[in-house]
Amino acid sequence: AQSVTQLGSHVSVSEGALVLLRCNYSSSVPPYLFWYVQYPNQGLQLLLKYTTGATLVKGINGFEAEFKKSETSFHLTKPSAHMSDAAEYFCAGGFTSGTYKYIFGTGTRLKVLA
Amino acid sequence: DAGVTQSPTHLIKTRGQHVTLRCSPISGHKSVSWYQQVLGQGPQFIFQYYEKEERGRGNFPDRFSARQFPNYSSELNVNALLLGDSALYLCASSLYSGSNEQYFGPGTRLTVT
Repeated sequence: AQSVTQLGSHVSVSEGALVLLRCNYSSSVPPYLFWYVQYPNQGLQLLLKYTTGATLVKGINGFEAEFKKSETSFHLTKPSAHMSDAAEYFCAGGFTSGTYKYIFGTGTRLKVLA
Repeated sequence: DAGVTQSPTHLIKTRGQHVTLRCSPISGHKSVSWYQQVLGQGPQFIFQYYEKEERGRGNFPDRFSARQFPNYSSELNVNALLLGDSALYLCASSLYSGSNEQYFGPGTRLTVT
C-alpha cells in the first residue's frame, strides 16, 4: 500500500541549530514528493517539491530536501533554525496508479527554542 | 494575483444536515483538489477534479461528493453530517492534475454539533 510516514510528531531545536525533519514513503514506484508548512489557522504553503531530475531540492526560506530512492526517504533540512520556522510541517506524496492520489504524512510540529 | 479562495470561512451544522463548501482556484489553474484535515492530523485526500472530471478519489464514503464548474471553481458536498465530519476542509488548485504542485486555500472550518 502507498503511504507517507513522518518520524517524530514533535521536534525541538535551538535557534541557530540544524533542522532535520524525517519523511519516508512506501510505494513500488517512487511518488512525486512535497514538503508543506502550515502556520496556525492558515492553509498549507509549499516549501519544495521533487518530481524528477536532481535529487537535492532547494526550497523557500532556506530549506532543502534530498530524495534517496534506496532509503525511500525525503528528509527536510535547514542549516540554521530561526524562530519564525516554528510551525507544522507536512510531507506529501503524489501517487499515480490508475487514478491520482495525494497522500500526506501526519505532520511534525517544529518548536524553536531561544 | 488572487490565491485560492474558499467560502465560507467557518460553518456550524447539526448532525444529519447537508453542507456545501465552495472553492475558486487560482486564475489559469484547471485542477482542484479537496482535503479534510482533522485537528492534529495531516490532510486526507478526498477528491481531485480536472477539466470538470473526477481524476482521483480518496477513501471517503459516498456522503461526500464534489463537482467542478466550467469556470474551474468547485463545490464539495457532504450529506447526512456526522460529528466526525468536523474538520478543516482545504481546497488546493494546480495547473493540471497529477504531479503538479498544489496551492492551498485558507480552508473552511466545519463544526458539526
